[in-house]
Amino acid sequence: DAGVIQSPRHEVTEMGQEVTLRCKPISGHDYLFWYRQTMMRGLELLIYFNNNVPIDDSGMPEDRFSAKMPNASFSTLKIQPSEPRDSAVYFCASSPPGTGVNNEQFFGPGTRLTVL
Amino acid sequence: QKEVEQNSGPLSVPEGAIASLNCTYSDRGSQSFFWYRQYSGKSPELIMSIYSNGDKEDGRFTAQLNKASQYVSLLIRDSQPSDSATYLCAVNPGYSTLTFGKGTMLLVSP
Repeated sequence: DAGVIQSPRHEVTEMGQEVTLRCKPISGHDYLFWYRQTMMRGLELLIYFNNNVPIDDSGMPEDRFSAKMPNASFSTLKIQPSEPRDSAVYFCASSPPGTGVNNEQFFGPGTRLTVL
Repeated sequence: QKEVEQNSGPLSVPEGAIASLNCTYSDRGSQSFFWYRQYSGKSPELIMSIYSNGDKEDGRFTAQLNKASQYVSLLIRDSQPSDSATYLCAVNPGYSTLTFGKGTMLLVSP
């Protein structure tokens, strides 16, 4: 089975540009998570969805960040406008239904974002 | 503020030795605990989960949980150079999100 798919794998952009990251969760999984990883802050949860509905977006750094999940097989994380401090690796992860608090998250390969 | 603390390392062990990785957490209500391995430039992958006090063994890996002390550890027996990676401790405080530690880098020398 295919794992979590993310695109692009690498993105280099200039400050002020809009960046859109994409994620396809594992088929049948109903939880989707967006994380950001940096050396300084480690792995941080930005937002997560359950059944396509955003449940907790308290980790989204500011209004420049937005995320959508229009259907069960696709999600986007958008940064507009981008800033150099947004440079990080962004991971998408998904979890199967019925796992409740014992969820195990499966990570995609990540998108390495560099904002110049 | 939920916190998960790990020593950043690096933890250096010779091949064949036992590597011991430790993690403490602040939320006493936490219910499930996970260890992820992350190779440099790759994504985290789940290697162990533990939900109740005591030990859980899976091959060369043993996870240990002590909820009273808010402490979880991972032992790797017969360490191999291929075990060299960063190990992330993750704690679920009781709802559907995980809080990750910053990870401990393990270096296994041949």
